[in-house]
Amino acid sequence: EVQLVESGGGLVQPGGSLRLSCAASGFTFSTFTMHWVRQAPGKGLEAVAGITSNGRSPFYTNSVQGRFTISRDNSKNTLYLQMGSLRAEDTGIYYCAREPETGTADFWGQGTLVTVSS
Amino acid sequence: DVVMTQSPLSLTVTLGQPASISCRSSQGLRHSDGNTYLTWFHQRPGQSPRRLIYKVYRRDAGVPDRFSGSGSGTDFTLQISRVEAEDAGIYYCMQGTYWSWTFGQGTKVEI
Repeated sequence: EVQLVESGGGLVQPGGSLRLSCAASGFTFSTFTMHWVRQAPGKGLEAVAGITSNGRSPFYTNSVQGRFTISRDNSKNTLYLQMGSLRAEDTGIYYCAREPETGTADFWGQGTLVTVSS
Repeated sequence: DVVMTQSPLSLTVTLGQPASISCRSSQGLRHSDGNTYLTWFHQRPGQSPRRLIYKVYRRDAGVPDRFSGSGSGTDFTLQISRVEAEDAGIYYCMQGTYWSWTFGQGTKVEI
């Protein structure tokens, strides 16, 4: 059974940093491109960042470019999102998601809540 | 970024009746590889999104056949032939042809 379990969320002050993790199981993690998608409270979905299976090609949405870093450790079956210079508008639930083939996501984790507030 | 526009944003449907949700993109979604990367998700309150349909009309395993997807270019539709109580929630379309992936605003379906 495919499982994605996020952790690392919490309350952080504006300008602060946080690192999210996503532990994967039930599939060969090292062969899939992975993504982070967020959802502001009561709002829609926004793709944040993605990374290819070998970890060499990360990509970001414009609003987080230069502030967030996506990475992965295929030996630990874990995806990461290092978030810096956090802003109130970064508040939301952060989901990791698997890309089974180009241009779609099939399995999502349960999400971890990030709150940026003073 | 490609803008995805859903309509309606809210829909109340009677059990057993059909429902239809429209999704329009600001530019064509046909990829250079010939595929169209349009996905539909369903999200219940407090849950993560569940994929229903990908590449316009391909239904995921375990998704009831009352769900169907259609469309091409910039206009896409999700249809539910006979709504059941478990279909309540928010439906999102998403384009994966261009990065950043972008989602529609969501359509809230109430039964």
